[in-house]
Amino acid sequence: IAGITQAPTSQILAAGRRMTLRCTQDMRHNAMYWYRQDLGLGLRLIHYSNTAGTTGKGEVPDGYSVSRANTDDFPLTLASAVPSQTSVYFCASRILGAVSNEKLFFGSGTQLSVL
Amino acid sequence: SQQGEEDPQALSIQEGENATMNCSYKTSINNLQWYRQNSGRGLVHLILIRSNEREKHSGRLRVTLDTSKKSSSLLITASRAADTASYFCATAPTGANSKLTFGKGITLSVRP
Repeated sequence: IAGITQAPTSQILAAGRRMTLRCTQDMRHNAMYWYRQDLGLGLRLIHYSNTAGTTGKGEVPDGYSVSRANTDDFPLTLASAVPSQTSVYFCASRILGAVSNEKLFFGSGTQLSVL
Repeated sequence: SQQGEEDPQALSIQEGENATMNCSYKTSINNLQWYRQNSGRGLVHLILIRSNEREKHSGRLRVTLDTSKKSSSLLITASRAADTASYFCATAPTGANSKLTFGKGITLSVRP
């Protein structure tokens, strides 16, 4: 089934630990995004990538890093998790370019709790 | 900071009634989009309206855009219990490859 797969679905993590959230899409979308969703704050963009090999910072990038080695995968890494990174994380993708489609496709999210 | 701000924050209606949700934004946009999120799930795109459009329909959805007032509304007609969800507006600022900015969302409850 075409779409975006996120893993894990949920995770409890001790503060100070390193964690990588995985995101894979099979739609050949060139642009991918990581958002975090917090109660009362909506969705905020963490990092994005317009094409494989490039990444950019969003609204709340501190404490997070990303890589885009190929079109399909866009992992998000927390180098040293802190409790304020407790959130629901969503990966999304879309087509950018000459035949662009502005709408985003979302994964099902990762619920992360940092204790 | 949020570009779009939805209003109201929460809405409770009876099945069969219409639901109207509003969104205001601050800067010039290429397009405005509405998304739906069921509890515990990812967001799903509902409808997109471009800056040169004033109204758009999709099934029971009607969206309007007033760029002079920097506002949009989403109307769901003949609501159903299955429409219960959170609804978000998202704006794409002008400029190439601009990133979508989401509002905080509206929680819609449709009572059977």
